[in-house]
Amino acid sequence: AQSVSQHNHHVILSEAASLELGCNYSYGGTVNLFWYVQYPGQHLQLLLKYFSGDPLVKGIKGFEAEFIKSKFSFNLRKPSVQWSDTAEYFCAVNSGTASKLTFGTGTRLQVTL
Amino acid sequence: DTGVSQDPRHKITKRGQNVTFRCDPISEHNRLYWYRQTLGQGPEFLTYFQNEAQLEKSRLLSDRFSAERPKGSFSTLEIQRTEQGDSAMYLCASTRTVANTGELFFGEGSRLTVL
Repeated sequence: AQSVSQHNHHVILSEAASLELGCNYSYGGTVNLFWYVQYPGQHLQLLLKYFSGDPLVKGIKGFEAEFIKSKFSFNLRKPSVQWSDTAEYFCAVNSGTASKLTFGTGTRLQVTL
Repeated sequence: DTGVSQDPRHKITKRGQNVTFRCDPISEHNRLYWYRQTLGQGPEFLTYFQNEAQLEKSRLLSDRFSAERPKGSFSTLEIQRTEQGDSAMYLCASTRTVANTGELFFGEGSRLTVL
């Protein structure tokens, strides 16, 4: 069965600091990878996704993520965070044929002014 | 707003009572999912439908839980004889099966509190 690990549970950064959130998955076959974000009081929404091709994918609001197959990782990055990035971030994976997404436990990001 | 809608947004009930949640997916989406999320955890898969057929159920879905999607549009999730451990946010999501990309569109959830 596939699983997702997010090692950073709570991250506190000052505005303009750089961000990297770790995500590792366990599954030996073809995967699709996602980062979802949940702003306070809002529903989960897609930040970015990887299906194939260029392993560096860019999403909304200046976020990007890099798929490193050899490390089973899909880390999320942003060069300079803003206060409005305060949210919970979830990494998710599905296999090439599976129909459901498996989520990590999430990372709560708090950006201070 | 033509997103996924869920009702009610918050339900407080006493242990042993039955509760039902409703989900209306995005209209052209043929797949509908139910997830459960507890504090400090990511969403956990419960079940999903393709049109009206329930194609997969998680072992998390005990026999007290039942989900339906009778006409392939809205779905209901019923929990019978609720227990305090059922307290959670119940999330509904939908998608189209084109390309099987797996991108899900989520509703705002129905929060259940069992006293």
